[in-house]
Amino acid sequence: DTGVSQNPRHKITKRGQNVTFRCDPISEHNRLYWYRQTLGQGPEFLTYFQNEAQLEKSRLLSDRFSAERPKGSFSTLEIQRTEQGDSAMYLCASSRRGTGVEKLFFGSGTQLSVL
Amino acid sequence: TQLLEQSPQFLSIQEGENLTVYCNSSSVFSSLQWYRQEPGEGPVLLVTVVTGGEVKKLKRLTFQFGDARKDSSLHITAAQPGDTGLYLCAGYSNSNSGYALNFGKGTSLLVTP
Repeated sequence: DTGVSQNPRHKITKRGQNVTFRCDPISEHNRLYWYRQTLGQGPEFLTYFQNEAQLEKSRLLSDRFSAERPKGSFSTLEIQRTEQGDSAMYLCASSRRGTGVEKLFFGSGTQLSVL
Repeated sequence: TQLLEQSPQFLSIQEGENLTVYCNSSSVFSSLQWYRQEPGEGPVLLVTVVTGGEVKKLKRLTFQFGDARKDSSLHITAAQPGDTGLYLCAGYSNSNSGYALNFGKGTSLLVTP
């Protein structure tokens, strides 16, 4: 399977705990995106990387959130001191920068529940 | 601020019926994309429309980009249960999230046999 892979699929945690999610993009894709989606909403942009550089970060992203993409391959998204409002589906997408309109390929997401 | 407004929010129809869903904005977009998302999965790209007035067909799905490039529609002919899902339109724009691919809230479609 050469699609975008996200782990874990589900995460249940207690308020105040830290959590980390992993995303493995399609191998030849140099751009990687993180989105968050809550029930009844479309995906909300969080941040994106081109290779290992974090180029854009949503102003909605609090300082409890941090993302990394070491060596421009997989990426991790960490949430520190989780809050109940962090409960959502966290989606990762990748694309290959080229000519024309960019096409994003999404993973199946990590569903986070903060109790 | 929601740049892309989608309507209706929910739609429940019977197999064989036709339907149209809409994506509207006060902003001009250089392109718009339509995605379909099934429960527990990520969105999957269906089509990208680039030219004002453009019409693209994907089997029973017809996508249209408005002449002014501010709106788009998706028409499904003879809907089938397999069409059930969340239909999202998306476009690149500046918002309080920065410059990125921003999505509407989607239209949740249920097609019953």
